[in-house]
Amino acid sequence: GEDVEQSLFLSVREGDSSVINCTYTDSSSTYLYWYKQEPGAGLQLLTYIFSNMDMKQDQRLTVLLNKKDKHLSLRIADTQTGDSAIYFCAESSGGKLIFGQGTELSVKP
Amino acid sequence: SQTIHQWPATLVQPVGSPLSLECTVEGTSNPNLYWYRQAAGRGLQLLFYSVGIGQISSEVPQNLSASRPQDRQFILSSKKLLLSDSGFYLCAWSGASVAEQFFGPGTRLTVL
Repeated sequence: GEDVEQSLFLSVREGDSSVINCTYTDSSSTYLYWYKQEPGAGLQLLTYIFSNMDMKQDQRLTVLLNKKDKHLSLRIADTQTGDSAIYFCAESSGGKLIFGQGTELSVKP
Repeated sequence: SQTIHQWPATLVQPVGSPLSLECTVEGTSNPNLYWYRQAAGRGLQLLFYSVGIGQISSEVPQNLSASRPQDRQFILSSKKLLLSDSGFYLCAWSGASVAEQFFGPGTRLTVL
């Protein structure tokens, strides 16, 4: 079945770049998504990329897609303490979203 | 603009008691609606989704049920709660033709 994998934890220093990685299995996914969840809150859609694109940049966020390897990454430039949260990767499959387990990003001052 | 509401925000219930969680969406019509549970392990489990009034699809067998009495209202229910029903319940909506989903603030349910 469809599966989305992420590493569970990432720790960076304030001002550094963060790179969160994700692999997925459904090669027919039309869109791939990144969501952010702050403690005790719902998920916030950060950005998404259409499957025929290699890269999408939105201010401090850069999404890279390697469709051949089914690998998606989210780069956060100049990471701030306010970026500390859990980041979920998701693929669209059969009209539904399949989520990864989430990567907890910890930003140290 | 569209907004999604969930209530209550937190709930503590004894084992065996009934449950009713409500989700409403404003600013859109005929949305697809979803209920997820996020257990302590963090992963999101899709429980139910609905593409229209009275149309409910269940993803996993469980102690819960869902109903959609109105176009923008989605209700999650149980007749008798189990300890394992504890978790963070998230409602989401999407347009009929797009997959991106927008989430509500969630309900934290603790069953004692």
